[in-house]
Amino acid sequence: EVQLVESGGGLVQPGGSLRVSCVGSGITVSSNYMSWVRQAPGKGLEWVSVIYSGGSTYYADSVKGRFTISRDNSKNTLYLQMNSLRAEDTAVYYCARARHDYGVIHAFDIWGQGTMVTVSS
Amino acid sequence: QSALTQPASVSGSPGRSITISCTGTSSDVGTYNLVSWYQQHPGKAPKLMIYEGSKRPSGVSNRFSGSKSGNTASLTISGLQAEDEADYYCCSFANSGTLLFGGGTKLIVL
Repeated sequence: EVQLVESGGGLVQPGGSLRVSCVGSGITVSSNYMSWVRQAPGKGLEWVSVIYSGGSTYYADSVKGRFTISRDNSKNTLYLQMNSLRAEDTAVYYCARARHDYGVIHAFDIWGQGTMVTVSS
Repeated sequence: QSALTQPASVSGSPGRSITISCTGTSSDVGTYNLVSWYQQHPGKAPKLMIYEGSKRPSGVSNRFSGSKSGNTASLTISGLQAEDEADYYCCSFANSGTLLFGGGTKLIVL
């Protein structure tokens, strides 16, 4: 069974840092385009970042310069390092596999269950 | 990076059809026929329902269909069932390698 499992969420103070992880089973993280999508409480989905199989990375303007997406091929794990956290970063963070053709993403077909990040003093 | 525009809510009676619109710009929906649609039940992860504008993943009911005209994509659900009640989100690839979601539409089955 193909599965993505996130972990690492928790409570962090404004200005702090946190790293969330996403382990793949039945799927090779490094061979796929992998993305982070977040959802603030009671709000809609917001795309955060993507890492291509070739290593290129892209970010939403709202997190650019503060968040870093990466992966550890030996652990089949995707990461999102979040620095300078703000209250508005409070959300459930989902990892998802992105289907693509020639570098153009056209859907997120496999999702994890999400991990909650709360930024509050 | 502005979100795609969706109606906040739509409603329909069991057995009827509804359509949810998703309006973007010539930099996203209008240029790429790559709109995807997601269903999300409360407390659950999103589920892919439509990709590349009109294609259904294996296992998704053929009651779900997608289309596009200009800068607006649409999701139609026919033969509404109680279990279709959920939030629905559209998503499009955009210039500069980013992706945009719509604000979401709450479907109410009367």
